[in-house]
Amino acid sequence: QVQLVQSGAEVKKPGASVKLSCRASGYTFSDNYIHWVRQAPGQGLEWMGLIKPSGGSTNFAQKFQGRVTMTRDTSTSTVYMEVSSLRSEDTAVYYCTRTVGSRFDLWGQGTLVTVSS
Amino acid sequence: QSALTQPPSASGSPGQSVTISCTGTSSDVGGYVAWYQQHPGKAPKLMIYEVTRRPSGVPDRFSGSKSGNTASLTVSGLQAEDEADYYCCSYTGSDSYVFGPGTKVTVL
Repeated sequence: QVQLVQSGAEVKKPGASVKLSCRASGYTFSDNYIHWVRQAPGQGLEWMGLIKPSGGSTNFAQKFQGRVTMTRDTSTSTVYMEVSSLRSEDTAVYYCTRTVGSRFDLWGQGTLVTVSS
Repeated sequence: QSALTQPPSASGSPGQSVTISCTGTSSDVGGYVAWYQQHPGKAPKLMIYEVTRRPSGVPDRFSGSKSGNTASLTVSGLQAEDEADYYCCSYTGSDSYVFGPGTKVTVL
């Protein structure tokens, strides 16, 4: 079954870091870029960045440069995203998604990250 | 602040049509605009890609078009299950993407 399965919900304090995972299955992991998209409560979708599983190179939206890192483990077909210096505005559902061409055709179930003191 | 603009809401009665616009600069609204449908608490779903292409399994009631710097999504023959948020998304080059702010479609 072709799917992306994300890690569970997290609760973090301001200033902490969080590391989310996204495991791909049912297709060749290196064939498709993996992106992260977040959605704050009641807000729209926001593209954060991508990682190319074949070589590990990344690209981030300017807003997240320096505060977000993405890595991958090809042995487990898993992508990780770490967000540092968390603030309350980072409270959101974080989705991983893959691209085929330029379109996001497969999405994970989402991970809720709550930042609260 | 999104580089794409969408109307915050749109509505229509069952059986009618509704069209949602997505406007940006010529570089933001090119040939790689996609539309996503999102129901509350669910992950987004791809409805249209490359402006006009429809993935298999998406009803042909959904169609996309573009004129100048504005892409549009039209839902014909509105059904109750079409009530959702719709987001346009553009590939802007150099491995970068931007989403529009979203449009809430209400079926009256």
